[in-house]
Amino acid sequence: NAGVTQTPKFQVLKTGQSMTLQCAQDMNHEYMSWYRQDPGMGLRLIHYSVGAGITDQGEVPNGYNVSRSTTEDFPLRLLSAAPSQTSVYFCASSYSPLGIGELFFGEGSRLTVL
Amino acid sequence: AQSVAQPEDQVNVAEGNPLTVKCTYSVSGNPYLFWYVQYPNRGLQFLLKYITGDNLVKGSYGFEAEFNKSQTSFHLKKPSALVSDSALYFCAVRDEGSARQLTFGSGTQLTVLP
Repeated sequence: NAGVTQTPKFQVLKTGQSMTLQCAQDMNHEYMSWYRQDPGMGLRLIHYSVGAGITDQGEVPNGYNVSRSTTEDFPLRLLSAAPSQTSVYFCASSYSPLGIGELFFGEGSRLTVL
Repeated sequence: AQSVAQPEDQVNVAEGNPLTVKCTYSVSGNPYLFWYVQYPNRGLQFLLKYITGDNLVKGSYGFEAEFNKSQTSFHLKKPSALVSDSALYFCAVRDEGSARQLTFGSGTQLTVLP
């Protein structure tokens, strides 16, 4: 049982490049989300999904796109990377779309934008 | 609006002593409250949650937290600290009556000194 798997673990981009962070879970969770972690700011929600075909914006969605075509996968796309998007990104899933269940986190993806 | 505050960036405690990591919150309705722990270069791990019921919640690794509605607090405690408890701790809240997703605090670095 792998849980939540994120790839890649590390990535360096140049300003203006695009890329996709992959997230997959094997727990059949309906709820999936993407957070970014910056020093002194905790975790901030980027986008989330309560099921296949359903996505919504979180606190800091600008510059990021998501889609949810299957229950298992929830990729995060950076359309045109900016230095302000340098961060550690975490994908998380939960059995509860109502916000009362624990979140299961991936190991994180460290992104540097030059 | 919902918010959560962790007033201490850093907490140091001697091994074997009791530890407390503080958390206060603000919501309009009833709160759902969570504690997560993050070890270096890892994703967050769930410790415990308060949804309803008994104000004293017991969680993983001997941790517990007390929900205090009048003081809007949800402090994390452990009777006897271990060096292995050294990590970054996050409090999180969601307002039961809101469509908002989980809001995380900025984190408290706990160091247990041998």
